[in-house]
Amino acid sequence: GENVEQHPSTLSVQEGDSAVIKCTYSDSASNYFPWYKQELGKRPQLIIDIRSNVGEKKDQRIAVTLNKTAKHFSLHITETQPEDSAVYFCAALGKLIFGQGTTLQVKP
Amino acid sequence: DTGVSQDPRHKITKRGQNVTFRCDPISEHNRLYWYRQTLGQGPEFLTYFQNEAQLEKSRLLSDRFSAERPKGSFSTLEIQRTEQGDSAMYLCASSLNNYGYTFGSGTRLTVV
Repeated sequence: GENVEQHPSTLSVQEGDSAVIKCTYSDSASNYFPWYKQELGKRPQLIIDIRSNVGEKKDQRIAVTLNKTAKHFSLHITETQPEDSAVYFCAALGKLIFGQGTTLQVKP
Repeated sequence: DTGVSQDPRHKITKRGQNVTFRCDPISEHNRLYWYRQTLGQGPEFLTYFQNEAQLEKSRLLSDRFSAERPKGSFSTLEIQRTEQGDSAMYLCASSLNNYGYTFGSGTRLTVV
């Protein structure tokens, strides 16, 4: 069935280091891959997205890469800051199936 | 238009009661989605509409759950005979086809 797998479930990095979160999806027809950041008690906020016609997209310290052949995509955060600490979700498919989430902790 | 609005923000109800939530999407968005999120989990897809047509329902959506979008604008999600396991955050999102997915702030349901 339709499925999105996200790894790791928790990630702890030192301030200034990079963080990478990976997702795989099952439906090869998926053409839209967003990443959301969710802080405690708040709604998911879109931070970056990519469509299937490109392999990489970057926005300042955040980048997303997509490998359609392997059906996986990744979120890269460089020069992490304490305010990056949150839960991050990937999603795929037309109606948006979400991954299980990654809790990122950036230690000062 | 300030985004997706959900009402109420919080709802406490006794087990066995019915509850109804409302979602007002971004006005030009034709698609509307309902999700349920429990602590520590990602949003779980429940159902979605394209205009007024309900195109898909998750297996998670039992017979006690029903959603409507009668005029293709706002939507309601009703839960009948609530159970404690229904306690969760209910999120609504809208999009224009596959663009501009935006979430509302959610309705937090507590069944006591």
